[in-house]
Amino acid sequence: GQSLEQPSEVTAVEGAIVQINCTYQTSGFYGLSWYQQHDGGAPTFLSYNALDGLEETGRFSSFLSRSDSYGYLLLQELQMKDSASYFCAYGGATNKLIFGTGTLLAVQP
Amino acid sequence: DVKVTQSSRYLVKRTGEKVFLECVQDMDHENMFWYRQDPGLGLRLIYFSYDVKMKEKGDIPEGYSVSREKKERFSLILESASTNQTSMYLCASSFGRVKTQYFGPGTRLLVL
Repeated sequence: GQSLEQPSEVTAVEGAIVQINCTYQTSGFYGLSWYQQHDGGAPTFLSYNALDGLEETGRFSSFLSRSDSYGYLLLQELQMKDSASYFCAYGGATNKLIFGTGTLLAVQP
Repeated sequence: DVKVTQSSRYLVKRTGEKVFLECVQDMDHENMFWYRQDPGLGLRLIYFSYDVKMKEKGDIPEGYSVSREKKERFSLILESASTNQTSMYLCASSFGRVKTQYFGPGTRLLVL
């Protein structure tokens, strides 16, 4: 079947670094995306990895290993505003995405 | 900037009512999607559309139908609302084969 697994909750302190892991099982894989959703808000796109390796966008980085069916989102210099849910999602041959169940990140002062 | 709008932020309906949720995007995107989001279950795809008058079932289409008469507008229809359809409904759009999806603000539907 097709599925993604990510931790349900992660807690970290302001200024720290946190890694949110995502493992997937699928036939036909066209890249891993990450979305951020603040409480009551809409999901917003953060990053996309089509190939193995690290993609960096400011304080956020995303990594993909296709051979391990694994990726992660790395958030550096955590700020209180980073408290949100983070979803990994993969795309297949069609234009739709399959989303994980999300990781709730709580940043503490 | 891409803008995806949804007709209502909050909606309260009674069991058995027919419910229409409207979504409009202003970036000429071919693809549009309807998801529902429930605590602990993430985003689950209800229906999606690649083009005008085209529609495909997602993972949980039962109890829903959709309509796409114009490229910019994608409607989700609950033919006879039930309490288990109480949820947050999110619309999204994307361009061609690009995977990035842009989401609307969501409609929180309560069925009594």
